[in-house]
Amino acid sequence: EAQVTQNPRYLITVTGKKLTVTCSQNMNHEYMSWYRQDPGLGLRQIYYSMNVEVTDKGDVPEGYKVSRKEKRNFPLILESPSPNQTSLYFCASSLGLGEGEQYFGPGTRLTVT
Amino acid sequence: GENVEQHPSTLSVQEGDSAVIKCTYSDSASNYFPWYKQELGKGPQLIIDIRSNVGEKKDQRIAVTLNKTAKHFSLHITETQPEDSAVYFCAASTGGSWGKLQFGAGTQVVVTP
Repeated sequence: EAQVTQNPRYLITVTGKKLTVTCSQNMNHEYMSWYRQDPGLGLRQIYYSMNVEVTDKGDVPEGYKVSRKEKRNFPLILESPSPNQTSLYFCASSLGLGEGEQYFGPGTRLTVT
Repeated sequence: GENVEQHPSTLSVQEGDSAVIKCTYSDSASNYFPWYKQELGKGPQLIIDIRSNVGEKKDQRIAVTLNKTAKHFSLHITETQPEDSAVYFCAASTGGSWGKLQFGAGTQVVVTP
């Protein structure tokens, strides 16, 4: 089954404790992206990757890191989480932006206390 | 950078009536405009998209129109059904940086039987 998987689905952590949210897709997609969703703000793009070893900032990259060492995985790293990073996070992938459908993962709800 | 505004924020329609959601964008170089539907507890799902070289696109009960001069695009849902109830997001690619996607704040659509 074609899908984007994220782990964990739910996470409660404390300020400053490094964490990684994993994202994996099985569709051989070139393009992957991370978004955060907050009430009233829609989805805001954090980082995206056009291909392996190619990543670029979205609109809200501060406080986040990503890596794309292999095509299927695109982890999101919070080196020192803060309460303002409490949000619902989505990973997505597609052949390329605007090429075929962009598939979204099920989301990761993160709470930073 | 790109700024996407979406209206209305909530929309209630009677089953069988039409629903229209409008979005405006600021970057005249934007060239890809997708629409997503998000059901409760799920990730967004692409329902239709349009490129800047096309003025209108239809897929069964859903249509999107694009006015490049006015920099706005709209989603039209005809013969609405209860299963159309969801949050709908418009988005626009930022033309100067292929790969960046900016979303509107979303429209909560409620279809009442």
